[in-house]
Amino acid sequence: SQKIEQNSEALNIQEGKTATLTCNYTNYSPAYLQWYRQDPGRGPVFLLLIRENEKEKRKERLKVTFDTTLKQSLFHITASQPADSATYLCALGKQTGANNLFFGTGTRLTVIP
Amino acid sequence: EAGVAQSPRYKIIEKRQSVAFWCNPISGHATLYWYQQILGQGPKLLIQFQNNGVVDDSQLPKDRFSAERLKGVDSTLKIQPAKLEDSAVYLCASSLARGGTPLNTEAFFGQGTRLTVV
Repeated sequence: SQKIEQNSEALNIQEGKTATLTCNYTNYSPAYLQWYRQDPGRGPVFLLLIRENEKEKRKERLKVTFDTTLKQSLFHITASQPADSATYLCALGKQTGANNLFFGTGTRLTVIP
Repeated sequence: EAGVAQSPRYKIIEKRQSVAFWCNPISGHATLYWYQQILGQGPKLLIQFQNNGVVDDSQLPKDRFSAERLKGVDSTLKIQPAKLEDSAVYLCASSLARGGTPLNTEAFFGQGTRLTVV
């Protein structure tokens, strides 16, 4: 079965720096990859989607890359702020009738003022 | 636009009891997911519906878990009998996705039901 791992359980960075989170997968060939943010006690909230034929996607201070050869996605938050502190989840999907969406383990980001 | 509604928000039951969770997805969303999220882990897909048909239930423990989506709208997830390891947050999500394209595949989640089995 597919395995989706995110680099570390927790990441602490200083305000203003760039946070980089990693999502690695095996035994899967996703058609697209999504990133979500989850705050304590809440459901995940969609941030960005990147397709298998796209190398990079940007949205405001967020940037996502997708390398299907390395089976890896990187998620960057530039000029990080304490309000960016949350758990970030990657999710993989297939372009089939099912549109399955499988989530990674999550990385808890803390931005220190 | 109203979001995904789930109830109850919290539930505490004893092991071997039964419990049911309810989900009302966003109007018009064809795909509905149920996820189990154990503390400190990512959401694990339990079952996925497209309209009122099951498209994936490969990770659903069918000896104790069941789910249905009547008329392709609301859905219920049931556990009978519950075990201690079922303690988790149960998340319902919906999307416009109808398959064959990455378009509209972003999932919208409810706040979840926190289940504690004692």
